Amino acid sequence: GAGVSQSPSNKVTEKGKDVELRCDPISGHTALYWYRQSLGQGLEFLIYFQGNSAPDKSGLPSDRFSAERTGGSVSTLTIQRTQQEDSAVYLCASSLGPAGDYNEQFFGPGTRLTVL
Amino acid sequence: ILNVEQSPQSLHVQEGDSTNFTCSFPSSNFYALHWYRWETAKSPEALFVMTLNGDEKKKGRISATLNTKEGYSYLYIKGSQPEDSATYLCAGSGNAGGTSYGKLTFGQGTILTVHP
Repeated sequence: GAGVSQSPSNKVTEKGKDVELRCDPISGHTALYWYRQSLGQGLEFLIYFQGNSAPDKSGLPSDRFSAERTGGSVSTLTIQRTQQEDSAVYLCASSLGPAGDYNEQFFGPGTRLTVL
Repeated sequence: ILNVEQSPQSLHVQEGDSTNFTCSFPSSNFYALHWYRWETAKSPEALFVMTLNGDEKKKGRISATLNTKEGYSYLYIKGSQPEDSATYLCAGSGNAGGTSYGKLTFGQGTILTVHP
């Protein structure tokens, strides 16, 4: 079956512009996660959705970052007024249920964001 | 907060060598331990999810053990092959009701390079 998909695969933007990153999870997966990997860093948790609600958004680095999920499916991560330090690979993952319930996560191919 | 640490940061081995690396995590408030393999230009792929103390899991030449009382997991690769070259990530999730429940906290990863 289809895996997790993300779009765009690459995004180059100018500092100060807004960007939207999209994630299509595996059908039937109730949990959805956003992570990012900055150069030389590990995978950093950003936000977790269970259904359409976000029980944990503690990883969002600033109020310029927001995310939503609709219909228990597609999620959009929005970064407003992008800064150069936002440059990273943004990964989306989905799972049947929360990570705390023994569910493995399935990752998308990522969006590489470059802020000039 | 779940702190997950991995060692070594990187490892170079020759084809045919067996190798192992370590993931450590706080034994309190722990629920599940995940191992992922992340090959260059691909998405992270789940290897194992373990939760019970003493769990051992095996997939081909790769196996993992879990010690929740002392807070560590080992990943073993027997007879390493060049195609095993990847970053190996471990991640932990916490108990229900805790702040780390629904999400995975990743370690920095171990970069394995297997030389022919």
